[in-house]
Amino acid sequence: SQQGEEDPQALSIQEGENATMNCSYKTSINNLQWYRQNSGRGLVHLILIRSNEREKHSGRLRVTLDTSKKSSSLLITASRAADTASYFCAPYSGGGADGLTFGKGTHLIIQP
Amino acid sequence: EAQVTQNPRYLITVTGKKLTVTCSQNMNHEYMSWYRQDPGLGLRQIYYSMNVEVTDKGDVPEGYKVSRKEKRNFPLILESPSPNQTSLYFCASSFWSEGYGYTFGSGTRLTVV
Repeated sequence: SQQGEEDPQALSIQEGENATMNCSYKTSINNLQWYRQNSGRGLVHLILIRSNEREKHSGRLRVTLDTSKKSSSLLITASRAADTASYFCAPYSGGGADGLTFGKGTHLIIQP
Repeated sequence: EAQVTQNPRYLITVTGKKLTVTCSQNMNHEYMSWYRQDPGLGLRQIYYSMNVEVTDKGDVPEGYKVSRKEKRNFPLILESPSPNQTSLYFCASSFWSEGYGYTFGSGTRLTVV
């Protein structure tokens, strides 16, 4: 399995603004997943985008995938205080039984 | 409700005293995994299991054991805990087929003194 690298490491914005975070990975993938972690809690699966998809939406979340650049981005629109959390990407290459590897995440703070 | 249940939520123990952290899922998932999360190091995989009686080491297996006697349960065993195993532990499960996300437990915060 391979680890994604999230960027930036930390992001602070005002409530109502949009938040964008990025993920880069090294080798070809079958899919890429994004997760959210509220402080000290378990990760929550947000969205999965397959390698043949370029964009996917879920509520206020928009994920893009550029396999030629080996990168993905997560956009959260109209941010709310409840969006304050760490966000992790997990590229999945398939074939390996070891599953997903997680990086250090992007810590997002929404200022009221 | 579909969920992964970990117990206990918090545990303080002493060096060398064997302990077990339980993990149970009610979604009939084949795949289960244990992670530990430490500041500055992110989540690191300890052990994983593809199905009953099939387990394998992750990135940081030293000092841990697991078993998978039933599909729903995947306990993490620390035979002789040491202070460097103080961490936040997460169990996760998923269908083995591609295209499914992981469901995580709420975590177990372990302190070894």
